[in-house]
Amino acid sequence: KAGVTQTPRYLIKTRGQQVTLSCSPISGHRSVSWYQQTPGQGLQFLFEYFSETQRNKGNFPGRFSGRQFSNSRSEMNVSTLELGDSALYLCASSPEGRTEAFFGQGTRLTVV
Amino acid sequence: QQQVKQSPQSLIVQKGGISIINCAYENTAFDYFPWYQQFPGKGPALLIAIRPDVSEKKEGRFTISFNKSAKQFSLHIMDSQPGDSATYFCAATISSNTGKLIFGQGTTLQVKP
Repeated sequence: KAGVTQTPRYLIKTRGQQVTLSCSPISGHRSVSWYQQTPGQGLQFLFEYFSETQRNKGNFPGRFSGRQFSNSRSEMNVSTLELGDSALYLCASSPEGRTEAFFGQGTRLTVV
Repeated sequence: QQQVKQSPQSLIVQKGGISIINCAYENTAFDYFPWYQQFPGKGPALLIAIRPDVSEKKEGRFTISFNKSAKQFSLHIMDSQPGDSATYFCAATISSNTGKLIFGQGTTLQVKP
């Protein structure tokens, strides 16, 4: 079974731009969560989607948004990028009714 | 109350030794406690997890000890190997609040040959 796939692996963007990251969950997993990982703040929960609905949200500004499609694939968008948004963005998928979360390799976003 | 505190921040162990990483939580509603292992350039990989109805869970060289009254849990890596050198994260969540893992700050483990 293929794991969680995130694209692209690396991105460099300029302050003020927007960016869209993509996540394909493990086949059959309908829950997708997003996390931001930085050296200073560690791993922080952004949001979770299940059946195309946002089920949970972390404490991030409205510039961070996401969505999920009917095939469970998910995208997250960050608008008006700031230097502090430079981070590794991780996507995790979970089987329905189970708590285990399986992570992808992440997208490394650098804002210059 | 949502925090999970992890210690130590870094750990150096000789090959064959025991590595011990500790975590503490405040929210008594947490009912699922996983540990993740992360290598540089990779995403976190689920290592082992425990629920509060058991005090210990063992999988191979990895053991979680859980103390519900003290609100603490720890990861023990027996016979530590250089290949275990990685960053380890503890986490906690409420099962009904799926997808929202609260992570500790991480422990960088170095196992010396």
